[in-house]
Amino acid sequence: KQEVTQIPAALSVPEGENLVLNCSFTDSAIYNLQWFRQDPGKGLTSLLLIQSSQREQTSGRLNASLDKSSGRSTLYIAASQPGDSATYLCAVRKGGATNKLIFGTGTLLAVQP
Amino acid sequence: GAVVSQHPSWVICKSGTSVKIECRSLDFQATTMFWYRQFPKQSLMLMATSNEGSKATYEQGVEKDKFLINHASLTLSTLTVTSAHPEDSSFYICSAMTVAEAFFGQGTRLTVV
Repeated sequence: KQEVTQIPAALSVPEGENLVLNCSFTDSAIYNLQWFRQDPGKGLTSLLLIQSSQREQTSGRLNASLDKSSGRSTLYIAASQPGDSATYLCAVRKGGATNKLIFGTGTLLAVQP
Repeated sequence: GAVVSQHPSWVICKSGTSVKIECRSLDFQATTMFWYRQFPKQSLMLMATSNEGSKATYEQGVEKDKFLINHASLTLSTLTVTSAHPEDSSFYICSAMTVAEAFFGQGTRLTVV
């Protein structure tokens, strides 16, 4: 059974810092991995999608990496801003007959001005 | 990216009544949609997979008679919480997938009083 864990559970940083969020999964047989952002009381916004054959994806100040063999992904946020404060979730998709997403436990990020 | 619209964004109902939540894919067709439940400060828990034109597939522990799912068209899935009780109060989120990527609705905050 796939289990997805995110470390740390919560993180508080001053504005301008670079930071790394970690996601680990137990079953390396994944189709892709997606990083999401969730603001309080809101739905999920897709940030980056990494296919199983890819090593990383970049969008603006965000960079996500994937090491499938070790079951790890990282989300790097450069020059953090108070507007980056949110909960960040990673999710893995198994593919094949099932399209289920298995979500991580989330990291609550607070960027202090 | 693709847009998934969920309605209503919040609802308050009396105990014993039923509530229907709609999930629409606005600019793409989705043969499969997903319904999640999220408790405060926790990650998303998959409740069921909604399949267009056939019965939904429920996750273990989710009562199918309590949470009725209908996926009557390629752009609409509905979740009906029947005979709602205060313990059903939660944040419900739907999702639809394109070929590779998952997109989420804005979520529905259900409060049963």
